[in-house]
Amino acid sequence: EVQLLESGGGLVQPGGSLRLSCEASGFTFSSYAMSWVRQAPGKGLEWVSGISGSGGSTYFADSVKGRFTISRDNSKNTLYLQMNSLRAEDTAVYYCAKVRGSSRVNAFDIWGQGTMVTVSS
Amino acid sequence: SYVLTQPPSVSVAPGQTARITCGGNNIGSKSVHWYQQKPGQAPVLVVYDDSDRPSGIPERFSGSNSGNTATLTISRVEAGDEGDFYCQVWDSSSDHYVFGTGTTVTVL
Repeated sequence: EVQLLESGGGLVQPGGSLRLSCEASGFTFSSYAMSWVRQAPGKGLEWVSGISGSGGSTYFADSVKGRFTISRDNSKNTLYLQMNSLRAEDTAVYYCAKVRGSSRVNAFDIWGQGTMVTVSS
Repeated sequence: SYVLTQPPSVSVAPGQTARITCGGNNIGSKSVHWYQQKPGQAPVLVVYDDSDRPSGIPERFSGSNSGNTATLTISRVEAGDEGDFYCQVWDSSSDHYVFGTGTTVTVL
């Protein structure tokens, strides 16, 4: 079964850091681009960051550029999101999502269950 | 930055047809994908590449895309079709994925 399992969420103070992980199973992880998408409480979906299958290309939303880093370890089938200088507005459920094919224009066909990040003092 | 605009809500009676629009500048030149999200759950892909359905998605879900508007159509609506729907594209000019503002579908 194709599955994504996020972990690492929690409560962090403003200015703090957190690293999210997303463990993949059931497919050839290194063959697919991946992304992180977040959803603030009661709000819509917001794409955060994406990475190519090899890890050689990364992309960031303007709202997190310079503060967040995306990476992957294909030997461990795991995607990461390092979040620094966290702000209250980063509070959200964070989902990892698999891109359906090899092209960035493709849809997100598999989503994890999400992990909650709360930034508050 | 590229913006996708959806109506906040759509209400439909059971058995009728719901149409959800997604407006964007020349969106017809892009591949549009649609997701359904039920409360407390992760989004689920229901239509990709404008009009294709993933396996397991009922034929009642269909999509179209032309000009400045993409449309998700749900035929013979059932109570279980309620939820929030989002359109999404890849914007090559900014190297960003973009989601629409979201539409809540209510079955009367």
